[in-house]
Amino acid sequence: AAGVIQSPRHLIKEKRETATLKCYPIPRHDTVYWYQQGPGQDPQFLISFYEKMQSDKGSIPDRFSAQQFSDYHSELNMSSLELGDSALYFCASSKPSGISYEQYFGPGTRLTVT
Amino acid sequence: LAKTTQPISMDSYEGQEVNITCSHNNIATNDYITWYQQFPSQGPRFIIQGYKTKVTNEVASLFIPADRKSSTLSLPRVSLSDTAVYYCLVASGSGYSTLTFGKGTMLLVSP
Repeated sequence: AAGVIQSPRHLIKEKRETATLKCYPIPRHDTVYWYQQGPGQDPQFLISFYEKMQSDKGSIPDRFSAQQFSDYHSELNMSSLELGDSALYFCASSKPSGISYEQYFGPGTRLTVT
Repeated sequence: LAKTTQPISMDSYEGQEVNITCSHNNIATNDYITWYQQFPSQGPRFIIQGYKTKVTNEVASLFIPADRKSSTLSLPRVSLSDTAVYYCLVASGSGYSTLTFGKGTMLLVSP
């Protein structure tokens, strides 16, 4: 079965650079979520999109922005990178199905800021 | 959103049943309880969700007492591959299914 695709899988950037992470949800899933998981930390919700509109916002820094495109893929743009942004970034998607909290997570993008 | 509290870690042996209890004293009427599993460097994976009483699927059971202030995830006959972090989450029933992860339980299954 198709899964959530994230690219790139690994990314190394220097401080103050920018990065763009991409997420391709499972076909026919209408909601995309972004999570950040630092080393030894629990996943932290950043932002979500439903039908290409921002639906919820968590602890996303102002330096980060995200959007969902007409083909439902999403991009997380990160600027002025800091060492503390080094983390695993997960994208998840969910399908329209009543009250369900089943999110399908991608393999993640490991971002290293040096 | 209701805060959840669960054990930091648990140990078990292959073939045993494991029960992980989570407390969520301030759960709201519309909130649901959901559990996720996470292996190192992988995205979390949905296990089960419930509102009240008992829910069972092919991998686990979820027991929720009448007051809904706690819930217990039951894993029957665990194997080494069940070694992972297990998260209990309370999700708002308002429509948007945002997940707020707290501190999970590290389950270590030994031979």
